[in-house]
Amino acid sequence: NAGVTQTPKFQVLKTGQSMTLQCAQDMNHNSMYWYRQDPGMGLRLIYYSASEGTTDKGEVPNGYNVSRLNKREFSLRLESAAPSQTSVYFCASSEVGGSSNEQFFGPGTRLTVL
Amino acid sequence: AQRVTQPEKLLSVFKGAPVELKCNYSYSGSPELFWYVQYSRQRLQLLLRHISRESIKGFTADLNKGETSFHLKKPFAQEEDSAMYYCALGSRLTFGTGTRLTIIP
Repeated sequence: NAGVTQTPKFQVLKTGQSMTLQCAQDMNHNSMYWYRQDPGMGLRLIYYSASEGTTDKGEVPNGYNVSRLNKREFSLRLESAAPSQTSVYFCASSEVGGSSNEQFFGPGTRLTVL
Repeated sequence: AQRVTQPEKLLSVFKGAPVELKCNYSYSGSPELFWYVQYSRQRLQLLLRHISRESIKGFTADLNKGETSFHLKKPFAQEEDSAMYYCALGSRLTFGTGTRLTIIP
């Protein structure tokens, strides 16, 4: 099992460009999440999907959109990238969204917006 | 609003010495607390959760509701404990800013 996979690993964009970060999990998990990690700020939740067909905003959703394409895949889209979106992005999944359920993380995507 | 505070960005401890990583939280209600760890070149992974009351890799953490704390402790540090440690709260995980632990040989 690959667990949670993310593509690409690295990306450089110019301000105003768009791109989609891909995430897939092979653990048959219901819930999936997108976080961003910035120096000195820990990880912050951007969007999550409690189950296939549902998505909800997290702490920092502005400038992002998500799509839960199916149970396996959860993508994050930047329609018009800004330098403030330079960050490391992590996707995670869990069996369900409850408190006792461990979240499994992907390796991260390092995004730079110039 | 829920919040997690990890006051130490960096912590260096000699091998064999006790380790304590501090975590304080703000939450109205019954908190769900976790410690996640990221070793060099590895993914972020769960270390332990308060609901399990378990000891993983020699680490323990006790929830103190009176002090709103969930400090991570280990009696004797090992070199392989060097990593980034995050305290997290809730089912959708509000993370603290993390503590980088370095074990000095």
